[in-house]
Amino acid sequence: DIVMTQSPATLSVSPGERVTLSCRASQSLSSKLAWYQQKPGQAPRVLIYGASTRATGVAARFSGSGSGTEFTLSISSLQSEDFAVYHCQQYNDWPTWTFGRGTKVEIK
Amino acid sequence: EVQLVESGGGLVQPGGSLRLSCAASGFAFSTYWMSWVRQAPGKGLEWVANINQDVSEKYYVDSVKGRFTISRDNAKNSLFLQMNILTAEDTAVYHCARYCFGHGCGYFDLWGRGTLVTVSS
Repeated sequence: DIVMTQSPATLSVSPGERVTLSCRASQSLSSKLAWYQQKPGQAPRVLIYGASTRATGVAARFSGSGSGTEFTLSISSLQSEDFAVYHCQQYNDWPTWTFGRGTKVEIK
Repeated sequence: EVQLVESGGGLVQPGGSLRLSCAASGFAFSTYWMSWVRQAPGKGLEWVANINQDVSEKYYVDSVKGRFTISRDNAKNSLFLQMNILTAEDTAVYHCARYCFGHGCGYFDLWGRGTLVTVSS
């Protein structure tokens, strides 16, 4: 199975700051990577798919980049509603889908 | 409203069984692949099972093969997960998710809030 490694595990940030989250795959994914946002007690929601395509309704401050084994999710200016856990997921390895352990973005 | 609502979670003893349900609304359920994804306390998300529209394809993570069965009732817009021989390692919040299948897809584009399954004596 493809192992997904996210870093850091926790990120303490002030509102308005730029945030960069990392996701690394144990094998090449081409661009078959998605990012999700999850708030406590809520359903996860997809932010980015295809490594860099924003899902419908996702704010432009969210952007994804990367290919192969190294991927990044960036938030250009962190808003209060962005404090959450972010997960990456690979879908290159049919029929097995794996996630990273998540990065928690908390208020500094 | 487009949504997925899970039910059926609870406390069960090791070795026991539980059946989870997911009610879909607001979209053409019968035209989508569907999935179960779980999250154990303090851990990341883990894909559990997928099922296609006509039930001809089902896939499972290795740790649940032979114990869990995914099924669906398109007439009732419902997804199910029958879980048998449960162990403490199955303790998690179980999310129902809609799977985006096809060119350019492969991710989960709609999720429910989940239902908690606790396996403990």
